Order: sequence, then C-alpha cells, then structure tokens
Amino acid sequence: GENVEQHPSTLSVQEGDSAVIKCTYSDSASNYFPWYKQELGKRPQLIIDIRSNVGEKKDQRIAVTLNKTAKHFSLHITETQPEDSAVYFCAATEGSQGNLIFGKGTKLSVKP
Amino acid sequence: DTAVSQTPKYLVTQMGNDKSIKCEQNLGHDTMYWYKQDSKKFLKIMFSYNNKELIINETVPNRFSPKSPDKAHLNLHINSLELGDSAVYFCASSQRRDSYNEQFFGPGTRLTVL
Repeated sequence: GENVEQHPSTLSVQEGDSAVIKCTYSDSASNYFPWYKQELGKRPQLIIDIRSNVGEKKDQRIAVTLNKTAKHFSLHITETQPEDSAVYFCAATEGSQGNLIFGKGTKLSVKP
Repeated sequence: DTAVSQTPKYLVTQMGNDKSIKCEQNLGHDTMYWYKQDSKKFLKIMFSYNNKELIINETVPNRFSPKSPDKAHLNLHINSLELGDSAVYFCASSQRRDSYNEQFFGPGTRLTVL
C-alpha cells in the first residue's frame, strides 16, 4: 500500500521568511497530492492540491511542486506570517481509488 | 451553513462500553470517510463509504463499524471500547471516491476512554 513520508516534523521560522515542507510517496499510481492545514483544535482544511500531470501550482504565497520520477512533492510558503502557524499534512492517493494516505504532519511555528 | 457536522464534540466513557458518533454532510457528496487522529496528530483513514460500498482499512479492529442510513449520514459505532481508542475522530466527505476530490472534514469528536 501507499506510504507517505513527511519532513521535517517541526519547523520554526521568522516572520517573513520562507518555509518548505517535503514529502515522498511510494505508490507510482498515486495521482493526486493535497496539502491540508490544521490549526490547534480545528479540523484539517485543504490549502492547495496538485494532480500528477502538473509539475507546479501556485496560489498567492503558497506553491506546491511535484516530481513524479522521484516520487516527491513539496509545499513552499513565502513571506510567512504568524497566522501560518499550524500543523501541515501532505497526502497522496492510494492508487487512483481516492483514499488519502497522510504524512505524519509538520508543525510550523512562525515567530513575529 | 455547516458542511460536515459531527456529534458529540466530546465523548468521555469507560472501558468496555459501546458508543456511537454521528456524522452528517449537507454538500450532496457521494463519499464519506472516517479518520482517526491519535495523540501524535497522525491522521489515519479508517473507512470510506460510497453508494453502499464500504472499503475498510485492514488495520481497523472489527469493534469499529460504520453505518450509513442514507447518503448524507455515516455514523461510527464502537463496541467494547479500549484505552487505545482514545483519539480525535474526524468524519469527512468528498463529491466522489475517485481522485481529484477535495475532502471536507467535520469538526472532530474527541473520545476519551477511562
């Protein structure tokens, strides 16, 4: 089955700096890679996603890159703000079935 | 309007008891899911349910059973609760089961087994 590894587990940056979170996956049939943000005590919410036929996608300060050959994808947050502080999860589909397998999360702290 | 709702928000119970968590979605989605988030924040799929087809994560004990009275509801029944069942349980839904479908999560139910 699919296995998703996520690094780092914790990340602390200064406000205004960039943050990068990296994930690898094992199932070459995976075709959808979403990123979820979970604030303390809240539900996970989708912030950006990418399909396997796209190499990069950007939405304002957030971007995701995908390297299908190497089976890894990354989340990039530029100009970080304190409200970006949260746990971020990457995920990959189990084959094309739609069930998501999540990484173990990265706790991002943005210091003002 | 709340898209995916769960009740109760908190559930405290004794070992050995049987309990249920309810989930409802008003998005008209075809597929619903249950996830378990443990104390280390690891999110793990337990079930997905689509048009009466249930896909079970093979690691889920058979004490856990999802029940869907209709497309908008997917309840989770847990029998003979154990200490290790303590976690936050999230319900989610998506338009379809296939890929490229955003999953919308409910607010979670924090289950504590004493």
